[in-house]
Formats: sequence, C-alpha cells, structure tokens
Amino acid sequence: EVQVVESGGGLVKPGGSLRLSCAASGFSFSYAWMSWVRQAQGRGLEWVGRIKSKNDGGTTDYAAPVKGRFTISRDDSKNTLYLHMNSLKTEDTAVYYCTTLNILSHAFDIWGQGTMVTVSS
Amino acid sequence: EIVLTQSPGTVSLSPGERATLSCRASQSVSSSYLAWYQQKPGQAPRLLIYGASSRATGIPDRFSGSGSGTDFTLTISRLEPEDFAVYHCQQYGSSTWTFGQGTKVEIK
Repeated sequence: EVQVVESGGGLVKPGGSLRLSCAASGFSFSYAWMSWVRQAQGRGLEWVGRIKSKNDGGTTDYAAPVKGRFTISRDDSKNTLYLHMNSLKTEDTAVYYCTTLNILSHAFDIWGQGTMVTVSS
Repeated sequence: EIVLTQSPGTVSLSPGERATLSCRASQSVSSSYLAWYQQKPGQAPRLLIYGASSRATGIPDRFSGSGSGTDFTLTISRLEPEDFAVYHCQQYGSSTWTFGQGTKVEIK
C-alpha cells in the first residue's frame, strides 16, 4: 500500500524548534518529489516547501512565510522525509501534511494523515 | 504570487443535484498545473482532478473539471451523500504552489 505517515508534532514555545518526520512506503521514495503542506484550524491549505529527488538535483523551494526558518531534507536510505522548523511563530500553528508531488502535473498525489504543531507560550 | 479565489464560499444542495464550483486565478494559469482536492472533516485532502480535467485514480466519473486561463470549474453531476465536503483548487507556477480558500458543499 502506498502511504506516507507523519510524526513529530507537538507543543513548542515561540522561537523554538521542531523536526517533523514522514515515513514513506509502497513506492520508490528515492525517485519521488515530496512536499509539505499545512492547514491552520478552520483555514485553507498552504504549501510549505518541496524537495526534488536526488536524481533530479535534490533542490528545495519554500513558501515566503517559512523561507529561512524551515528546511526540508530527505534520507533515502530510510525512506524518510523531514521538515526542520526553527524560529517558530504562533502563526505556524497548523496540521502539517506530507505529500508526494507528481512531477508532470505538479499536483499532490498522496497525503499523510497529518501531524499537529502548536506554537504557544 | 498567483491568488486563487473560489466561489461560492458555501453552497447548499440536495443529494442528486448538480454542483458547480468556481476557481478564478489572479493571472493566467497553465491548465496542466490546475488541480482540485476533496477534504472531509478530520481527514487529509484527496486529489480529485489534475491537469484541469483529468480524474485521479479511482475518482468517479460524476466529478469533472474544465476551464483554462483564469477560470476553472469543478462539476459534480449528481451529488452522492459522500460528496458533501470542502473542495480546494490549487495551481503551480514559478516553483510556487497556491491553493484557493475552499468551497464547502453542504447538505440542504
């Protein structure tokens, strides 16, 4: 079964850091482009960032609100995607989804169940 | 950044009726990079339509997408009870992805 499962969410104080993980299975993770998308309570979806496969350069892009604070990385030997979040702000509070990204359509194919991040003092 | 505006915000319909959801872009979007998602309460979004009009795997043919340029439409031909949900449109351009704010389809 093709799936991605997020973990690592929790409560963190403003200015703090957190690392989310996404375990992938059922597909060739090393060739996959991956993304993080978040959703604040009662709000719409917001793209956070994307990482290409190492075969395609492994480069990353980020949304303006998180650029310079968040970093996406991958460990293909563990079929795992990461989101390193630093200098967290209250407005980063959201459910964070790990997704696969279709290279041709640039649509988000497979979604995990999400992990909740709460930034509060 | 391209802004997507979905309308209406909420639509109230009965099972069996037709739903027509709009997604308007602030500037032209490549049809190849316009997608629609369905999201039910407490669940992750699910890809319905990509490339403006292609159904994702396993999506029933009552769902259809159309449009080009700045105006795109998701149509549900006959609403089934499981179709009442929030629908999001999404576009890609210049290494950036943006979503609309969503349209809620509720039971009348």
